[in-house]
Amino acid sequence: SQQGEEDPQALSIQEGENATMNCSYKTSINNLQWYRQNSGRGLVHLILIRSNEREKHSGRLRVTLDTSKKSSSLLITASRAADTASYFCATDRGGTSYGKLTFGQGTILTVHP
Amino acid sequence: GAVVSQHPSWVICKSGTSVKIECRSLDFQATTMFWYRQFPKQSLMLMATSNEGSKATYEQGVEKDKFLINHASLTLSTLTVTSAHPEDSSFYICSARSTGRSGELFFGEGSRLTVL
Repeated sequence: SQQGEEDPQALSIQEGENATMNCSYKTSINNLQWYRQNSGRGLVHLILIRSNEREKHSGRLRVTLDTSKKSSSLLITASRAADTASYFCATDRGGTSYGKLTFGQGTILTVHP
Repeated sequence: GAVVSQHPSWVICKSGTSVKIECRSLDFQATTMFWYRQFPKQSLMLMATSNEGSKATYEQGVEKDKFLINHASLTLSTLTVTSAHPEDSSFYICSARSTGRSGELFFGEGSRLTVL
C-alpha cells in the first residue's frame, strides 16, 4: 500500500516552543490518527479525527484535517523535552478495511531542554 | 485501557531458524488483528491482516510462506518468521481490533527480531 508523506522529516525545537507536523495522504479515508513512538518502543495513540471533522483538541495537541487537500496537521503546544519522539500519522479507509492503517513516513521531533 | 501483549519483546536467533511472535489481547476479544513491520528509522508497513478462524490476508510483496500467521482464537494471533535471514531483522508490531468497544484499535509494544 502507498504511504503518505509527512513533513518535516525532522524537527528540532526548544522547550516551550510549538511544534507543527504535517501529513498528506492519497486515498479517501474514514479517519486519520496520530501516534507517537519513542525510540525502539511501541506506538502510543494520540488522537483520532474522523473524515467529517475539521479540528480536534486533546490537551496540548491540536489536529486539523482538510479532506479536500488530503492533509492533516498536528500541533503540539508548549513542547517539553519528554515530547521528543517520532510522530506518525495513519489513515484508515474504514469499511471492510477498518483498522487497517497506512502510516506516513513520520517526523522525528527533538525538544531541547 | 485495553492491553495488547506481544511476546517476546525481543529475540535473537540464528539464520535459518524459525521464530514465533505472539500477539494477545488481554481483556477483550479481537476477531481481526494486524501485523506490521518496521525497519530502523522507517515507518510501519502493514504485512497482513489476521482473521480469527480463517486464512490471513497478505499485503502485496509479503511472502505468506515466509511469514506464517495463525489466528486460532479471539485473543491470540501468532506470526512465525520461517527460515529467518538477517534481512528479516526488524521490529514487528501487532494491533488488535476489538469486536466490541466500537471496534477500537490497540497496538502491542512490538517485538524486535535480530537474525544473526
